[in-house]
Amino acid sequence: DQQVKQNSPSLSVQEGRISILNCDYTNSMFDYFLWYKKYPAEGPTFLISISSIKDKNEDGRFTVFLNKSAKHLSLHIVPSQPGDSAVYFCAASDRGFGNEKLTFGTGTRLTIIP
Amino acid sequence: NAGVTQTPKFRVLKTGQSMTLLCAQDMNHEYMYWYRQDPGMGLRLIHYSVGEGTTAKGEVPDGYNVSRLKKQNFLLGLESAAPSQTSVYFCASQDRSNQPQHFGDGTRLSIL
Repeated sequence: DQQVKQNSPSLSVQEGRISILNCDYTNSMFDYFLWYKKYPAEGPTFLISISSIKDKNEDGRFTVFLNKSAKHLSLHIVPSQPGDSAVYFCAASDRGFGNEKLTFGTGTRLTIIP
Repeated sequence: NAGVTQTPKFRVLKTGQSMTLLCAQDMNHEYMYWYRQDPGMGLRLIHYSVGEGTTAKGEVPDGYNVSRLKKQNFLLGLESAAPSQTSVYFCASQDRSNQPQHFGDGTRLSIL
């Protein structure tokens, strides 16, 4: 049972345009969400996070939106740059019991076209 | 500025052999995790530790054991390797609650 889903395995976007990566979750107890970026032969690196008490969080070119009623979050990258080409993982946790365990999605490979 | 270091980076084993993967972090983090990544499956939690001397099972613990004898090290053991354990293994550490996890660069393990 995949509790965190990234339904788009890949996405191609022109350089300078907006990249939108989507993530859906089924566990209503999840209250903390993160995006990680992964280059080949490297470990995932933290990008941005959002708590369930917010619906938006920004950090430079990256913005994460959370729609709790739809159990959906999205990552917006504006403007997209060639260095953004990577695999992006959505992750979620239920911290209600002091639980820091993350449940990951299957990832979306983003390719930025120069 | 090492962060999280995983040893070895690559290994090939024969079915039935045993080995230990080492994860070391120099950030004095309390929490440490072991994940495996398989094609089309994202990262899945094997075992984790919330402090020195403590360990707990994650989502896919069968066939693995772990130890956290020192705060900075988290060891993942395979007692009798099976082809189904062919995967890329990632270790992560976390300072405390509400902080993101920091990952090592992974160990690519092949079981023949």
